[in-house]
Amino acid sequence: DGGITQSPKYLFRKEGQNVTLSCEQNLNHDAMYWYRQDPGQGLRLIYYSQIVNDFQKGDIAEGYSVSREKKESFPLTVTSAQKNPTAFYLCASRGPGTAYGYTFGSGTRLTVV
Amino acid sequence: LAKTTQPISMDSYEGQEVNITCSHNNIATNDYITWYQQFPSQGPRFIIQGYKTKVTNEVASLFIPADRKSSTLSLPRVSLSDTAVYYCLVGDHNYGQNFVFGPGTRLSVLP
Repeated sequence: DGGITQSPKYLFRKEGQNVTLSCEQNLNHDAMYWYRQDPGQGLRLIYYSQIVNDFQKGDIAEGYSVSREKKESFPLTVTSAQKNPTAFYLCASRGPGTAYGYTFGSGTRLTVV
Repeated sequence: LAKTTQPISMDSYEGQEVNITCSHNNIATNDYITWYQQFPSQGPRFIIQGYKTKVTNEVASLFIPADRKSSTLSLPRVSLSDTAVYYCLVGDHNYGQNFVFGPGTRLSVLP
């Protein structure tokens, strides 16, 4: 079945560490997205990529970095510069046209210890 | 992107029909209306999408009046498993638009 796979499901980070969240899709979607969700809140856009080797900052990109070397993969690195990284991170992809909405992964819950 | 307004929370009982209304006064001609459902600790999932009049699938119905300035998601005979957050998004699903997922409507279904 086609879909988006995020790993790991849970991640613990020590202060000052960089961590990388994985996102892989086999839907042949060009566009991929990273969102952050805090408890009881909506989703906030961190970064997005509409094509391989290109990506743009979203609303809350500070302290995060991404790469898009392959169509299927869009990893997110949470750097030590992100002062409050504890959150639920969601990766999504989108296909062409109005018939297609977002397809989301199951998320990664990151906790700073 | 059209700004949307929906209730922050709603309560219902099992077996009842639930209607969640979303206001989108500045919807554009090319915009579609899409609803997503999110369970705790999961990603949102697509429920239904429509442009005008009524759309029905196995999960829900979407009612859109002629002026398209609002839409209503209807969930028939809800069960406890329908407890979730429901998001209304309005826009044209071209790559140039990045949709904003606001706080959504938190639906609580009670026994």
